[in-house]
Amino acid sequence: DGGITQSPKYLFRKEGQNVTLSCEQNLNHDAMYWYRQDPGQGLRLIYYSQIVNDFQKGDIAEGYSVSREKKESFPLTVTSAQKNPTAFYLCASSRVGGLNEKLFFGSGTQLSVL
Amino acid sequence: QKEVEQNSGPLSVPEGAIASLNCTYSDRGSQSFFWYRQYSGKSPELIMSIYSNGDKEDGRFTAQLNKASQYVSLLIRDSQPSDSATYLCAVKPQGGSEKLVFGKGTKLTVNP
Repeated sequence: DGGITQSPKYLFRKEGQNVTLSCEQNLNHDAMYWYRQDPGQGLRLIYYSQIVNDFQKGDIAEGYSVSREKKESFPLTVTSAQKNPTAFYLCASSRVGGLNEKLFFGSGTQLSVL
Repeated sequence: QKEVEQNSGPLSVPEGAIASLNCTYSDRGSQSFFWYRQYSGKSPELIMSIYSNGDKEDGRFTAQLNKASQYVSLLIRDSQPSDSATYLCAVKPQGGSEKLVFGKGTKLTVNP
């Protein structure tokens, strides 16, 4: 089945630690995205990538880093510089261009601070 | 800053009623509009997309778009308890490099 796989489902971070969230898709989509969702809030864009080896900052990129070495994979690292990392993290993918740029989401990773 | 506004609710309707969810957006040139449903603790799921003024129906769901008023709505007919979720409105602003902007969502509760 085609889809987007995020792992782990739950992740705990100790102070000063970097953690990496995995996102893999087999939809053959060119674009991939990372969003952060806080309780009662909408989705805020962290980073996005429209092509391998290229990515752009979203609205809240500080304290995060990404890589796009393969079309299928777009891991997100939450660095120790992100002082308030507790949130629900969503990875998404889409085709690129045109009106029909629908986003499809993975199941999400809940990150908490110990 | 391009904005998408939704009434946060909660919106409560009885089973079998019509639920009406509303969304306004700031970028007049926006071309694509989407409604996502998100159950508690789960990821958003696309339920409707609309690109032209007027109504678009899909089963019990109807999306309505009025670009002159910068307004998009979602109607759910014959509401069921399983429709209880948060509904997110998303708008793609004008410009090829622009990304989707999401509203904060409206929480809908359908009471049996």
